[in-house]
Amino acid sequence: DSGVTQTPKHLITATGQRVTLRCSPRSGDLSVYWYQQSLDQGLQFLIQYYNGEERAKGNILERFSAQQFPDLHSELNLSSLELGDSALYFCASSALRDREETQYFGPGTRLLVL
Amino acid sequence: GQNIDQPTEMTATEGAIVQINCTYQTSGFNGLFWYQQHAGEAPTFLSYNVLDGLEEKGRFSSFLSRSKGYSYLLLKELQMKDSASYLCAVSTSGTYKYIFGTGTRLKVLA
Repeated sequence: DSGVTQTPKHLITATGQRVTLRCSPRSGDLSVYWYQQSLDQGLQFLIQYYNGEERAKGNILERFSAQQFPDLHSELNLSSLELGDSALYFCASSALRDREETQYFGPGTRLLVL
Repeated sequence: GQNIDQPTEMTATEGAIVQINCTYQTSGFNGLFWYQQHAGEAPTFLSYNVLDGLEEKGRFSSFLSRSKGYSYLLLKELQMKDSASYLCAVSTSGTYKYIFGTGTRLKVLA
């Protein structure tokens, strides 16, 4: 158990809909990262937040948005869903101690868009 | 551009040693990570290298050469439970971005 929690574990929805994925980082970790992993694909970095502020942006679509709240939990919002958005979405957190930014991953949310 | 290359698949025998290579080209470098990921599960941290050389952790070792943009993960005394994907990832300095390779799927045979 990494200490990172994600809800829900599974999500089935229809094209055009909007969903919200939630992540709670490990206690004390200030950084939250979001990743998308499609079938047989590598992890695609979407976005990173540090202590409530956006820190880095990766390959995140304009239909997707995220935020980190004062209690450090984060939400990833996916809108106007398409079939191709079906994937595993992972959240990770890190403490950013020294130079070692080891990321600890949550169990993921499996999204299926029908 | 930024790129990480790893072999797609490898097969080895229980009890053997296997080396998984990773080459990278990134704008800036702030460390290289190896993660293990079992199918359908979250990646778990294995090792971190920021300086050249070998880091050893039990049955797992990781090597880095920054001048060559090269790393490898060495797994000794392979066990069946080591069958998984191994992901190489680079933290790029200045941009705080992480780039992951597509992973190497390792099959350990009895």
